[in-house]
Amino acid sequence: EPEVTQTPSHQVTQMGQEVILRCVPISNHLYFYWYRQILGQKVEFLVSFYNNEISEKSEIFDDQFSVERPDGSNFTLKIRSTKLEDSAMYFCASGGAWGSTDTQYFGPGTRLTVL
Amino acid sequence: RKEVEQDPGPFNVPEGATVAFNCTYSNSASQSFFWYRQDCRKEPKLLMSVYSSGNEDGRFTAQLNRASQYISLLIRDSKLSDSATYLCVVNKADTGRRALTFGSGTRLQVQP
Repeated sequence: EPEVTQTPSHQVTQMGQEVILRCVPISNHLYFYWYRQILGQKVEFLVSFYNNEISEKSEIFDDQFSVERPDGSNFTLKIRSTKLEDSAMYFCASGGAWGSTDTQYFGPGTRLTVL
Repeated sequence: RKEVEQDPGPFNVPEGATVAFNCTYSNSASQSFFWYRQDCRKEPKLLMSVYSSGNEDGRFTAQLNRASQYISLLIRDSKLSDSATYLCVVNKADTGRRALTFGSGTRLQVQP
């Protein structure tokens, strides 16, 4: 069964550094998403991406964040100048084409620890 | 009012018990509804979509009441493996908006 994969599983970084989180969505999906979950809190939407551009973003997704689909398979989230409060699990998700259901399938996540 | 509200639990039930979770959502324009389960420090995994007519998948039954903006999940014959956090999830609403809004989850602990 196809699944979303994410690397690395755990990333430790120093405050102020830049990190890139990587995802390989399910191959025939067209919509890609990033969510985050701070420990003990609920899952929060960050951004959605379709047709090589951002289709929606939350107020969390400010200028510190950017997304890219550099090739036909990878989908990345870049966090510039990380802050302590960026420590969280970051989940990538992918979903089907327009007109299909909104079902989204999540990757295993990257645990980001900012020291 | 929270966008998606759930009783946090925990619900502690014996094996074989029937347990019901409830959820309310605030945006009447919401279009799609789901239950996901999340094990500790793992990703959310889709359990089932929720339809207005109600739907069943084995031991799991989901119901949606659009008028009351209320979603439910019933688990029959609970197994130890059902222990997890159950997330009520709603599509953020408006045509074309696919961002999911998550509730905080209801924790279920099934005991032997």
